[in-house]
Amino acid sequence: AQTVTQSQPEMSVQEAETVTLSCTYDTSESDYYLFWYKQPPSRQMILVIRQEAYKQQNATENRFSVNFQKAAKSFSLKISDSQLGDAAMYFCAYNNNDMRFGAGTRLTVKP
Amino acid sequence: DVKVTQSSRYLVKRTGEKVFLECVQDMDHENMFWYRQDPGLGLRLIYFSYDVKMKEKGDIPEGYSVSREKKERFSLILESASTNQTSMYLCASSLFRTGARYNEQFFGPGTRLTVL
Repeated sequence: AQTVTQSQPEMSVQEAETVTLSCTYDTSESDYYLFWYKQPPSRQMILVIRQEAYKQQNATENRFSVNFQKAAKSFSLKISDSQLGDAAMYFCAYNNNDMRFGAGTRLTVKP
Repeated sequence: DVKVTQSSRYLVKRTGEKVFLECVQDMDHENMFWYRQDPGLGLRLIYFSYDVKMKEKGDIPEGYSVSREKKERFSLILESASTNQTSMYLCASSLFRTGARYNEQFFGPGTRLTVL
């Protein structure tokens, strides 16, 4: 079964700074999607960004971008100009008909 | 916007009770999922359903059952609640039955269940 590893249980960033959350995954498939989800405290989980494995160009959504390294099976999330509202649990997920989630990284944003 | 709602945000039950967790989505999604979320373990799939009256086991189905009588509603049932089922339960839905790789999942707010 595919596994998703987030090696940073907790991360902290100063407001307006940049932070990178790490994610690695294990698969023998070549076609799949990767996702980053955000779960704010006491609020619903929402999709932050999505990347198709066949696309070489890294996905970006405003202040959120990914560094997708297919050969290394790495999918990190970069948050630029961090805001207080970015504080949340972030989950990396792999999907090839079967969505697999990492254990999550709790991001704290310091004012 | 897709809306996924869950019947309770917080629930406290006693060991041995039968527990029903309800989930409703309003966007005619084909697929629905139940996860449990525990610290350090992420989200683990309990059951999912890709059609009315259809269900498939996920990674941790033991002690749970599900029901999908209508497309928009997916229920998780704990037949006899135990303390090790104390957890956060998340319901999710996604649109397509096929081409599933693209599918993002839309989540409900979660139900925090405590079994005493």
